[in-house]
Amino acid sequence: GQQLNQSPQSMFIQEGEDVSMNCTSSSIFNTWLWYKQDPGEGPVLLIALYKAGELTSNGRLTAQFGITRKDSFLNISASIPSDVGIYFCAGTLYYGGATNKLIFGTGTLLAVQP
Amino acid sequence: DAGVIQSPRHEVTEMGQEVTLRCKPISGHDYLFWYRQTMMRGLELLIYFNNNVPIDDSGMPEDRFSAKMPNASFSTLKIQPSEPRDSAVYFCASSLVYWGSSTDTQYFGPGTRLTVL
Repeated sequence: GQQLNQSPQSMFIQEGEDVSMNCTSSSIFNTWLWYKQDPGEGPVLLIALYKAGELTSNGRLTAQFGITRKDSFLNISASIPSDVGIYFCAGTLYYGGATNKLIFGTGTLLAVQP
Repeated sequence: DAGVIQSPRHEVTEMGQEVTLRCKPISGHDYLFWYRQTMMRGLELLIYFNNNVPIDDSGMPEDRFSAKMPNASFSTLKIQPSEPRDSAVYFCASSLVYWGSSTDTQYFGPGTRLTVL
């Protein structure tokens, strides 16, 4: 099946530091999404990207859809303790028609020390 | 909108028992998804529906698993008989697709944590 390689697997940082994580694939994706999951909760959408090269921000979060359509990154600036959680990338493959089947990355665990 | 609603939030059962998980998608959404999350395998898509019709059930692990969507506002995932290896968090998600464009934004429910003893 299709795979999304997400890195790093975990990050332990100090409050105020910037964070960067990325996802790569050997396949071309039509859409890239970034989710955050808090303990005991379902994933919550942070940013959605629909076009190759697209750069989108949501507050302190910035994400980009790679030009090759095979990768995406997420940056978090000036991290705060509530940024703690697991971040997932997800993407959809286009089969000639609209499809909503998401493939998820393996997740990046972020820990922020005050 | 209240978002995707799942029940129960926690379920503990004994091996061999039937388990039914429930989901109410966001009103107006055309797609409904069932996922399973474990430490070993991450988030796995089990099955998804479009307009109440199952589209892809290739992720359903075994015949012990079945899912139904009798109407646009309700879906169930049933495991019969349950086994310890079914222990996981099961998520339901829903999304809306606009004709002519692709909106792949899925909204997740809070999940059901299933423990099979």
